[in-house]
Amino acid sequence: EAQLVESGGGLVQPGQSLRLSCTVSGFNFGDYAMSWVRQAPGKGLEWVGFIRSKIYGGTTEYAASVNGRFTISRDDSKSIAYLQLTSLKTEDAAVYFCCRGGTGDAFDMWGQGTMVTVSS
Amino acid sequence: SYVLTQPPSVSVAPGKTARIPCGGNNIVSYSVHWYQQKPGQAPVLVISFDSDRPSGIPERFSGSNSGNTATLTISRVEGGDEADYYCQLWGNYSDHLIFGGGTKLTVL
Repeated sequence: EAQLVESGGGLVQPGQSLRLSCTVSGFNFGDYAMSWVRQAPGKGLEWVGFIRSKIYGGTTEYAASVNGRFTISRDDSKSIAYLQLTSLKTEDAAVYFCCRGGTGDAFDMWGQGTMVTVSS
Repeated sequence: SYVLTQPPSVSVAPGKTARIPCGGNNIVSYSVHWYQQKPGQAPVLVISFDSDRPSGIPERFSGSNSGNTATLTISRVEGGDEADYYCQLWGNYSDHLIFGGGTKLTVL
C-alpha cells in the first residue's frame, strides 16, 4: 500500500529552523513531483511549494509567503522529500502535509501531517 | 493574483443534493480539483480535472466547470459527507497552486 509519512515537527522559537521529512513507500518516488501544503489551526489549506522529479530537473517552486525562507529537497535513493524551514515566524505554525504531485497535478496522495509550533 | 471564492458554509438535509461553488475569473480555462477534509484528518481528493472521480470515491460525487464557477455536487447526501471541501487549481504558468478558502458542509 502506498504511503507518505511526515516527521520532524515540533516546538521551536521564532527565528529558529526545523527540517521536516516525508518518507514514501509503495510507489516509485523518483517518478513523481512532491509538494508541501500547510494548514494553520482552524484555517484553510495553503500551498507551500513543490519539487519536480529529477527527469524534470528536480527544480522547486514556492509560495511567496515562504520563498527565501523554506527549501524543498529530495533524496530519491531514500524515497524522502524534505522541507527545510528557516527564520520561522509565529504565523508559520501549522500542520504540514506532504502530497504526491506537482505542476498541474491533483494531489492524489497525502501524508497524515506533522505539527510545527512556533512560540517563544 | 488569482483568487478562488467559496462560501464558508453549505447546509443540506440527508438524502438531498449539495452544491458547493468555487468562483474564479474565467475559471473554465483552468482544471479544478476538489478535496474533502474531515476533522483531524488529511485531505482526500474527491474530484480531479473538473469532473474525474478517483477510484474509491462514490458516484454521488461529481464536478462541473463553466464560466466563472466550478461546482462540486454531492447527491443523496449522507451524514458521513459532513466535512470541509476545498477547490484548487494551478495558476498562471502552472507553477503556483491556489486553494479556495474552503466550505464547511453541514448535514442537517
